[in-house]
Amino acid sequence: GAVVSQHPSWVICKSGTSVKIECRSLDFQATTMFWYRQFPKQSLMLMATSNEGSKATYEQGVEKDKFLINHASLTLSTLTVTSAHPEDSSFYICSASPSGSFGELFFGEGSRLTVL
Amino acid sequence: AQSVTQPDIHITVSEGASLELRCNYSYGATPYLFWYVQSPGQGLQLLLKYFSGDTLVQGIKGFEAEFKRSQSSFNLRKPSVHWSDAAEYFCAVGAVEYGNKLVFGAGTILRVKS
Repeated sequence: GAVVSQHPSWVICKSGTSVKIECRSLDFQATTMFWYRQFPKQSLMLMATSNEGSKATYEQGVEKDKFLINHASLTLSTLTVTSAHPEDSSFYICSASPSGSFGELFFGEGSRLTVL
Repeated sequence: AQSVTQPDIHITVSEGASLELRCNYSYGATPYLFWYVQSPGQGLQLLLKYFSGDTLVQGIKGFEAEFKRSQSSFNLRKPSVHWSDAAEYFCAVGAVEYGNKLVFGAGTILRVKS
């Protein structure tokens, strides 16, 4: 089946630094990718929809200046957590679907961010 | 507003016993329903999905789910649970009108005792 890869799978950073997480669709092109955040023992909360070649669409309550999303190609979306703080520590998961499809969502392995 | 409810936070079953995980949804549009499984520290794997047609859907790993429109439910079942099924299970709902944006339930953690 289709593969979505995230990198890094885990990262530890100091408070105030920025961290970039990559989401790649390895064997298909994805016009749209989604970024989720998952707190311990909680469900996935959609943060934003990443659109290739245009601005991301953020969900209500998500700071767009805090969580920068870039979708520069049909196989890569990046999430940058800027000026990270301990409360940003979380599990970030991306998903992607082949362009033009519906319901064929493939998830990355997730990236665990710990901000000290 | 759309929402998904998974009433059971934790469920423990004995290996070999049957399993049913509950999912109820509230959605304005025609819903499309999904079940995903997540192992600790991992991403999500699709178990099965319902778009239309037969309301009993077969998925991978021996799972099935039944869509009941009158009850707004999409419960996941497995006749005989294996220890490797221990994981967290998420029900999700979407609609064509919203593209591939899904709303997830809170998840149910399945523990399997031998």
